[in-house]
Amino acid sequence: AQRVTQPEKLLSVFKGAPVELKCNYSYSGSPELFWYVQYSRQRLQLLLRHISRESIKGFTADLNKGETSFHLKKPFAQEEDSAMYYCALHGGATNKLIFGTGTLLAVQP
Amino acid sequence: EPEVTQTPSHQVTQMGQEVILRCVPISNHLYFYWYRQILGQKVEFLVSFYNNEISEKSEIFDDQFSVERPDGSNFTLKIRSTKLEDSAMYFCASAVDRNGNTIYFGEGSWLTVV
Repeated sequence: AQRVTQPEKLLSVFKGAPVELKCNYSYSGSPELFWYVQYSRQRLQLLLRHISRESIKGFTADLNKGETSFHLKKPFAQEEDSAMYYCALHGGATNKLIFGTGTLLAVQP
Repeated sequence: EPEVTQTPSHQVTQMGQEVILRCVPISNHLYFYWYRQILGQKVEFLVSFYNNEISEKSEIFDDQFSVERPDGSNFTLKIRSTKLEDSAMYFCASAVDRNGNTIYFGEGSWLTVV
């Protein structure tokens, strides 16, 4: 079964601290993994996709097929990073995104 | 940058009433979706639509739900007889192709069923 697991509902860090938002997935084929961000009262926005191996707003995420993980990392958190972060999987023949439950990142000043 | 727009942003309706949520996808997009998010829960896929027909739907998308692209620009989600458990944020999304990286979401429509 296709599943995305985000074990932390809330992650609270201080400004300047490193951040790691965890995401694990279950998928039998070769998945496409994404991170979406939702700032307060705004739409879901694509933050990162694993195929492009890019860094957006200082965030990176590496797909680890052995551990079936796609953790989101940032070395130094900023207050403006406070938002809801969703890990999502897009797989093969099915044309839909499967989301995790989301992690609320709260960056304290 | 083009955006997916949704109306209304918030609707309160009585149980048993019909509700239509409207979406204007990005103009050159061909794939359309509805997702929903019940408060405190994950974003869930409802239905995908391509070439004027449903291409995939979830177990949630039962006979009470329907989608339509009536005029080539709007993409609507109709709930025929709303139930309390239909209260959720409904997100419309569109994409130019089947690759997950091109899916753009609207701001959502909050539906409250009382």
